[in-house]
Amino acid sequence: DVKLVESGGDFVQPGGSLRLSCAASGFMFRDYWMTWVRQAPGKGLEWVANINQDGSEIYYVDSVKGRFSISRDDTRSSLYLHMSSLRAEDTAVYYCARERAGGHTNDAFDIWGQGTMVTVSS
Amino acid sequence: QSVLTQTRSRSGTPGQKVSILCSGSSSHIGRNPVSWYQYLPGTAPKLLIYGNDQRSSGVPDRFSGSKSGTFASLAISGLQSDDEAVYYCAAWHDSLNIWVFGGGTQVTVL
Repeated sequence: DVKLVESGGDFVQPGGSLRLSCAASGFMFRDYWMTWVRQAPGKGLEWVANINQDGSEIYYVDSVKGRFSISRDDTRSSLYLHMSSLRAEDTAVYYCARERAGGHTNDAFDIWGQGTMVTVSS
Repeated sequence: QSVLTQTRSRSGTPGQKVSILCSGSSSHIGRNPVSWYQYLPGTAPKLLIYGNDQRSSGVPDRFSGSKSGTFASLAISGLQSDDEAVYYCAAWHDSLNIWVFGGGTQVTVL
């Protein structure tokens, strides 16, 4: 079974740090771009960051640049999101997802995890 | 405010056809494939359509996608109660090197 399982979500104070993990199984993790997407309470889906197969290409949404860091460990088939200087607006369910390779570009997120909740509050 | 624009809500009775529009620009929809997702609260988003008009594995043919220029649409025919969910479109933004989503469309089955 192709599967992604997130963990690491927690309740944290503003300014704090957290590391999310995403364990992949059932497919060749090293062959895929991977992504983090979040959904804040009452809001829509927001893409956060992605990383290519060897970690040489990484992109972030502006709102997390300089605070979040995406990484991967292909030996563990795992994706990570290191979050620091957390703000109340980072409160969300965080999903990891696999990017599907299309023609000239990746064209979708075809596998999603169940999500992990991050709450930033004093 | 989302980069891709979607109607906030659509509704229909069982058996009807509902269409959801997603509008963008030449930086994303006009240049790259659009995908569509079905989201139910408390569950993981589910890929419905990739590459503008290709159904993901296991998705019934009641769901269809299309794209013209900087507009994409998702049509749900033979509406069923199970289709009540929020639907999102997404595309890669070439200039900013980010993925962008629409704000989501709530589909209600009356």
